[in-house]
Amino acid sequence: GEDVEQSLFLSVREGDSSVINCTYTDSSSTYLYWYKQEPGAGLQLLTYIFSNMDMKQDQRLTVLLNKKDKHLSLRIADTQTGDSAIYFCAEKDEGSSNTGKLIFGQGTTLQVKP
Amino acid sequence: DAGVTQSPTHLIKTRGQHVTLRCSPISGHKSVSWYQQVLGQGPQFIFQYYEKEERGRGNFPDRFSARQFPNYSSELNVNALLLGDSALYLCASSVGRGGNYGYTFGSGTRLTVV
Repeated sequence: GEDVEQSLFLSVREGDSSVINCTYTDSSSTYLYWYKQEPGAGLQLLTYIFSNMDMKQDQRLTVLLNKKDKHLSLRIADTQTGDSAIYFCAEKDEGSSNTGKLIFGQGTTLQVKP
Repeated sequence: DAGVTQSPTHLIKTRGQHVTLRCSPISGHKSVSWYQQVLGQGPQFIFQYYEKEERGRGNFPDRFSARQFPNYSSELNVNALLLGDSALYLCASSVGRGGNYGYTFGSGTRLTVV
């Protein structure tokens, strides 16, 4: 079945760039998403990318998509302490009759050290 | 404009009891999805409702049920609670059925079963 995998933990220094990686299995996914979850909170949509794009930039966020390798990455430039959170990669499950079902990875905990 | 609102925020129930969780989508959003997030894992899809009809169901037992009302709000019901049902239950809404531009999540209901 479909699966999304992420590394579990990343630690960076404030001001550095962070790169969070994700691999997915469903080659027919049309949309891929990055969500952020702060402690005790719900999920915040950071950005999404359509499968016919290789890159999307939104202020400090850059998403790269390698469809051949089914690899997605999120780069955060000039990482701040407020970026400390869990980041989830998700793919839209195209095999579910357009339910909009999202398949999430386990999440990457980003720790930003001052 | 209010985001997705969920109630209650926290709940403690005893094994075998029944629970009802509530969700109000963003105004104008007709699709509501429910996810279960166990501690340390990514959210798992439970249901999607669109225009008051069930459009998708995840791999959850029949103890889980839901419905959507004419005003597009939704309830998730869980019967015969098990300790393993302890989780953060997230509701997400979207304008359309396919969620192509991402779902907006609420802050969730933290359910503890003792």
